[in-house]
Amino acid sequence: GAGVSQSPSNKVTEKGKDVELRCDPISGHTALYWYRQSLGQGLEFLIYFQGNSAPDKSGLPSDRFSAERTGGSVSTLTIQRTQQEDSAVYLCASSLAGGAQVGQYFGPGTRLLVL
Amino acid sequence: KQEVTQIPAALSVPEGENLVLNCSFTDSAIYNLQWFRQDPGKGLTSLLLIQSSQREQTSGRLNASLDKSSGRSTLYIAASQPGDSATYLCGSGGSNYKLTFGKGTLLTVNP
Repeated sequence: GAGVSQSPSNKVTEKGKDVELRCDPISGHTALYWYRQSLGQGLEFLIYFQGNSAPDKSGLPSDRFSAERTGGSVSTLTIQRTQQEDSAVYLCASSLAGGAQVGQYFGPGTRLLVL
Repeated sequence: KQEVTQIPAALSVPEGENLVLNCSFTDSAIYNLQWFRQDPGKGLTSLLLIQSSQREQTSGRLNASLDKSSGRSTLYIAASQPGDSATYLCGSGGSNYKLTFGKGTLLTVNP
């Protein structure tokens, strides 16, 4: 595809359930980022992938959050035992490489609501 | 820890007016700065990227400047149009080029 795609676009779940969010980066982009956007906190960095490895997981808010990337392409963000405070928009971005001269391109996001 | 502030939080202008959005950051050791727009319920659309070695970038009616020493960037929009109405976000690129964002400026351009 031409841009970053994310699925599902919306997800409603019950507290305590696990959810998986998917990101398909732009073809050929080796760097992939997950961010979270919530009303009170704005946009926050979660995790960065270069290829399949994640050298920076510093933004993950708790051990309930994990992410993986396979084949240097698709990434999945998993939230276990969801809590109401996990409700937010989860945005994925990709770039050609982790470099200062390249920008990040964002997907449309997954809107997660935990009841 | 990098902190990014955007002023004003909201701005309403009549169509045709030139305007400036401000972004300030506390740590000047940035690799780049990127401006985005976000329409309601949508993702972020990249507008301009300024590398740390650059002073400004231009695209059409948009001009972004960067002054690392003072920790400031501005986005200038010329001859604003109703279609420019959106939230504008700046993100500073730090280690691993991850972006630290301000909370945005909500721009409304009135016909």
